[in-house]
Amino acid sequence: QQQVKQSPQSLIVQKGGISIINCAYENTAFDYFPWYQQFPGKGPALLIAIRPDVSEKKEGRFTISFNKSAKQFSLHIMDSQPGDSATYFCAARLRPQGNLIFGKGTKLSVKP
Amino acid sequence: EADIYQTPRYLVIGTGKKITLECSQTMGHDKMYWYQQDPGMELHLIHYSYGVNSTEKGDLSSESTVSRIRTEHFPLTLESARPSHTSQYLCASSEYGGDGYTFGSGTRLTVV
Repeated sequence: QQQVKQSPQSLIVQKGGISIINCAYENTAFDYFPWYQQFPGKGPALLIAIRPDVSEKKEGRFTISFNKSAKQFSLHIMDSQPGDSATYFCAARLRPQGNLIFGKGTKLSVKP
Repeated sequence: EADIYQTPRYLVIGTGKKITLECSQTMGHDKMYWYQQDPGMELHLIHYSYGVNSTEKGDLSSESTVSRIRTEHFPLTLESARPSHTSQYLCASSEYGGDGYTFGSGTRLTVV
């Protein structure tokens, strides 16, 4: 019940295309949903995050769509660039301790 | 600048040696975490701490141990390294109930 299920495991997109990564959860005690981006040899870094009272959040080319009733959220990368090639992790924060539960990650490759 | 530091970045060591991976943060965060990750793969929580003198084992069983004597310092020790310990080790920190984790750049450990 504490799992966050992430798909797909890997994704190949052409430059300029839209990358979509999906996550689903069961636990209603999650209250914050961040996405992390990780480049090879680096630690994950916070990319964008959303709270469940909002259905969409956009920051530049990155958008989170959140469907509270379906318990699903997704990351959309518009106009994908080769520099976006990285592993992306969705996560959900568990009340009250604030521990993050991570998805298994999606390896994105953007082809030039 | 507030940050989280891991040393060494890379370590190649022989089987049976004792090693300590260092992690320090300057943000005054109460909570700290150790994750084990094969490159670009799933994050496995192996240890966490909610504050000084508090340590807990994570979801993935690990032969390593940790200590938290000072708020800013959370070292991980392997008493006798084995080739199966070869992996990337990531340290992270967060405020209690905070919005997310800050990750270090990781230590890439190779046991030969």
